[in-house]
Amino acid sequence: QTVVTQEPSFSVSPGGTVTLTCGLSSGSVSTSNYPSWYQQTPGQPPRTLIYSTNTRSSGVPDRFSGSILGNKAALTITGAQADDESDYYCVLYMGSGISVFGGGTKLTVL
Amino acid sequence: EVQLLESGGGLVQPGGSLRLSCAASGFTFSTYAMSWVRQAPGKGLEWFSSISGSGDNTDYADSVKGRFTISRDNSKNTVYLQMNSLRADDTAVYYCASRAYRNGWFFDYWGQGTLVTVSS
Repeated sequence: QTVVTQEPSFSVSPGGTVTLTCGLSSGSVSTSNYPSWYQQTPGQPPRTLIYSTNTRSSGVPDRFSGSILGNKAALTITGAQADDESDYYCVLYMGSGISVFGGGTKLTVL
Repeated sequence: EVQLLESGGGLVQPGGSLRLSCAASGFTFSTYAMSWVRQAPGKGLEWFSSISGSGDNTDYADSVKGRFTISRDNSKNTVYLQMNSLRADDTAVYYCASRAYRNGWFFDYWGQGTLVTVSS
């Protein structure tokens, strides 16, 4: 069974830079997994941030960027702001119509 | 403006059935695949079903295969989720999401979600 791994929690100082990662329990993440990233605050639906590894969704600030780092997908937030404090989820496409969410990373800005 | 509005959630007993609907507006519905994603209380997001724009192709996660059925009516711009043999661990907020392909598949727009509670 494919497991998509994310750091359970992370903290960043206001104005700082943080990189969240998204890996596979077995194997490496590649652009063929079409990594995408979603932001969610409590009680709200997810918001699409990044798709196809590094393309920002409409209206997403350019302080959010996506990439492949080593064998993982990565979401980097540069110049973190207080309202970036959220849960962040990655999704990997596994082929045959199957998408798998990571467990999510709770980001604290303090 | 794109809108996805889920309905049909509620309280159902274990073993029971429920049908969710998601009404879409603001985009050419028939050209978009659609998906259902759920979130159990205090837990993460889980993709579990998608349907192609034409409705000819469907996909399911193992967790719901054989119990849940996704369908769509493009004349009504609506996607449905028929849930049978419901279990306590199906309790979750159920989101519908459009699924787009731009150099790769991703979830584009999201509804506000509808809560399904499975309990006796």
